[in-house]
Amino acid sequence: SQTIHQWPATLVQPVGSPLSLECTVEGTSNPNLYWYRQAAGRGLQLLFYSIGIDQISSEVPQNLSASRPQDRQFILSSKKLLLSDSGFYLCAWRFGRWEQFFGPGTRLTVL
Amino acid sequence: AQSVTQPDIHITVSEGASLELRCNYSYGATPYLFWYVQSPGQGLQLLLKYFSGDTLVQGIKGFEAEFKRSQSSFNLRKPSVHWSDAAEYFCAVGAGNYGQNFVFGPGTRLSVLP
Repeated sequence: SQTIHQWPATLVQPVGSPLSLECTVEGTSNPNLYWYRQAAGRGLQLLFYSIGIDQISSEVPQNLSASRPQDRQFILSSKKLLLSDSGFYLCAWRFGRWEQFFGPGTRLTVL
Repeated sequence: AQSVTQPDIHITVSEGASLELRCNYSYGATPYLFWYVQSPGQGLQLLLKYFSGDTLVQGIKGFEAEFKRSQSSFNLRKPSVHWSDAAEYFCAVGAGNYGQNFVFGPGTRLSVLP
């Protein structure tokens, strides 16, 4: 069966520091991968999606970037964090039909 | 572009009572529709989905949803709520070849009274 991992689970970072969040999927190949952000009390905002290695699309302009160095690895990065980057970051994968499967999420607090 | 609305931000029901969470969508073609549940601090779990066929779909945990094209709705129901159902519920519509147009509603927070 397929599983999706995210780490770290929780992160507290100062403003201006770099960021790297990792997402890996097991048990499937060539999945579509997604990064979402969920701000406090709000719905999910799609940040990036990827249909293959080094194929990344950005949905919204922002302070973040994404990379997919391997088929089942998706990384969310920032060179300098802003206060507004705080939130709950969710990685998701999809293969075949439409439903997306979500990881456990990373809680990021920028101070 | 598609959009999803969930008119109720917060709903409180008593344990054992019935539940209906509303979802309305806007999309020009036949939508793919989903309901997800999120417990505090957790990821999202798929409850059920609609692609085509029977407009009443059954999901996990005793939930069901009915697709009504004429009303552009996909409401979630459960006949008897359990305390463990307290969570945030998201309706979503999917479109596009790569699922990049997977749009979520703002969510409805469900509280359950003992």
